[in-house]
Amino acid sequence: AQSVTQLGSHVSVSEGALVLLRCNYSSSVPPYLFWYVQYPNQGLQLLLKYTTGATLVKGINGFEAEFKKSETSFHLTKPSAHMSDAAEYFCAGEGNEKLTFGTGTRLTIIP
Amino acid sequence: EPEVTQTPSHQVTQMGQEVILRCVPISNHLYFYWYRQILGQKVEFLVSFYNNEISEKSEIFDDQFSVERPDGSNFTLKIRSTKLEDSAMYFCASTPRGFGYTFGSGTRLTVV
Repeated sequence: AQSVTQLGSHVSVSEGALVLLRCNYSSSVPPYLFWYVQYPNQGLQLLLKYTTGATLVKGINGFEAEFKKSETSFHLTKPSAHMSDAAEYFCAGEGNEKLTFGTGTRLTIIP
Repeated sequence: EPEVTQTPSHQVTQMGQEVILRCVPISNHLYFYWYRQILGQKVEFLVSFYNNEISEKSEIFDDQFSVERPDGSNFTLKIRSTKLEDSAMYFCASTPRGFGYTFGSGTRLTVV
């Protein structure tokens, strides 16, 4: 069964610093993986997705993620954090035609 | 860009009352979903719907819950007799096939 683990329920970074949000998956077959962002009192917005092909995936707002099969990871990065990046981030895996979400990581940006 | 539309954005109901949450999926999508997020917790799968029938449901989706696609555009989630623990954000999603989900902005249900 598909499962998704996000390490770190809260991450704080300084404005301009590197953002790294960790996600690991477990699956017996190559998964489809997603990162969603949720701003306060809003819905889920797709940041990026990996299905097949290139393992480095670029998304919106300067985010990218790299699918590493050997590490069963799909970590989300952004070179330089902006105040507007403060939000909750969810990693999700697709299996059996439904999404399984991680527990989320709340990103705080320190001015 | 096409959107999934959910109404209302916020619903307050008394315990034991029936509620219907409404969603308009993207018009050419074939798979529809409801997910739930209890405050402070992760997003959980409730049910998937394809070809006018439920294709899969989670343990959460008990007899109190039902889904319907009453016409060609709406997709509804009904909770027959709400409980306090049903308070959550409910998200509708649609996809043209098995992946690439578009989520609505959610309905916050508060049961008092």
